[in-house]
Amino acid sequence: GDSVTQMEGPVTLSEEAFLTINCTYTATGYPSLFWYVQYPGEGLQLLLKATKADDKGSNKGFEATYRKETTSFHLEKGSVQVSDSAVYFCALSPNRDDKIIFGKGTRLHILP
Amino acid sequence: ETGVTQTPRHLVMGMTNKKSLKCEQHLGHNAMYWYKQSAKKPLELMFVYSLEERVENNSVPSRFSPECPNSSHLFLHLHTLQPEDSALYLCASSQGRGWEQFFGPGTRLTVL
Repeated sequence: GDSVTQMEGPVTLSEEAFLTINCTYTATGYPSLFWYVQYPGEGLQLLLKATKADDKGSNKGFEATYRKETTSFHLEKGSVQVSDSAVYFCALSPNRDDKIIFGKGTRLHILP
Repeated sequence: ETGVTQTPRHLVMGMTNKKSLKCEQHLGHNAMYWYKQSAKKPLELMFVYSLEERVENNSVPSRFSPECPNSSHLFLHLHTLQPEDSALYLCASSQGRGWEQFFGPGTRLTVL
């Protein structure tokens, strides 16, 4: 069945470091892909999305490119801030009629 | 109010109590969800409602009883819970089942 695998955390970086959180997926067809972020004490928020191959989603300095050939949707940011400390979830939607499938989440700690 | 709201934000209950969690969405969405989030299982889908009809129940114990009286409101009725049910309960909504989901802030439940 469809699934999402993302790197286990926690990931700890210093402020201004480069961030990559890996996400790979298994799906038939052409799913839509998402990254959600959960800040402490809050619900999940949609961070970015991509709906077809080679699309790049971007928001708040974060980017992810839909790579069908490697079935990946890695999250990147060039210079992280302490305020980026949160849990990041990769997710996929197989099609418009089927629910979204979430990965297990990656906790990110940014040190000042 | 806008978005997805949840009340109460925090709830402490004994094992013999009966309580209800409330979720309301102001986005005109047709699908609503209950998730359980705990340290053991980061994001666990419990129930899915589409157009007020329950379309998914992921082997959730009967001590959790959902209710969706209309497309804007979702309840989770709780009775005779166990301490291991202590968790963050998140509500979400979406335009359709495969569309991006919008989350509420969650209810932090503690069962004594």
